[in-house]
Amino acid sequence: EIVLTQSPDTLFVSPGQSATLSCRASQSVSNNLAWYQQKPGQAPRLLIYAAYTRATGVPARFSGHGSGTDFTLTISSLQSEDFALYYCQQYNNWPPLTFGGGTKVEIK
Amino acid sequence: QVQLVQSGGDLVKPGGSLRLSCAVSGFNFSDYHMSWIRRGPGKGLEWVSYISRSGKSIYYADSVKGRFAISRDGANNSLYLQMTNLRVDDTAVYYCARSLGYATGFYHDAFDLWGQGTQVTVSS
Repeated sequence: EIVLTQSPDTLFVSPGQSATLSCRASQSVSNNLAWYQQKPGQAPRLLIYAAYTRATGVPARFSGHGSGTDFTLTISSLQSEDFALYYCQQYNNWPPLTFGGGTKVEIK
Repeated sequence: QVQLVQSGGDLVKPGGSLRLSCAVSGFNFSDYHMSWIRRGPGKGLEWVSYISRSGKSIYYADSVKGRFAISRDGANNSLYLQMTNLRVDDTAVYYCARSLGYATGFYHDAFDLWGQGTQVTVSS
């Protein structure tokens, strides 16, 4: 099973600043990695797939980078609606499909 | 409207059974692989089960294997999760989700459409 480790657990950021979230895989997942945003009481929303491709309707301030075992999600100029929980997910080697433990982005 | 509408969550006792449903609308259900994913209290997302668009390929997380059964009904555009021998640690919000499918020339098992979630609570 591929384990995804996200860091940090919580990231405190001021509105308008940028945030960089990390996701590390226990073995290579090539570029078969996705990022999701989840807000309280809502279903997750796909942000990024294939490591760097934005899903339909996702603002350009969200960008994904990386391949192999190390990935980042960068949110530039954080807006109020961006404060949420973020998960990475690999779909390179499964079952099982696996998710990281999540990073919470909070207002500083 | 492209959407997944879930139903079936409830409070059940340990050892009990429950069936979750996910009604699909706005797209061709038979074109997409589908999954169930859950999030337990204070926990992250956990993939539970997958069914291919044909229904011929089915996979489960080890934590539910032998207790849960995924199925799909093309005539009724619905996805199901039959849960038996439920345990306290099955307590979670359960989501149905659609695989993105082919994009940028490759197949992606990322989830681009999610149901609203349904609460399953297992408690005596």
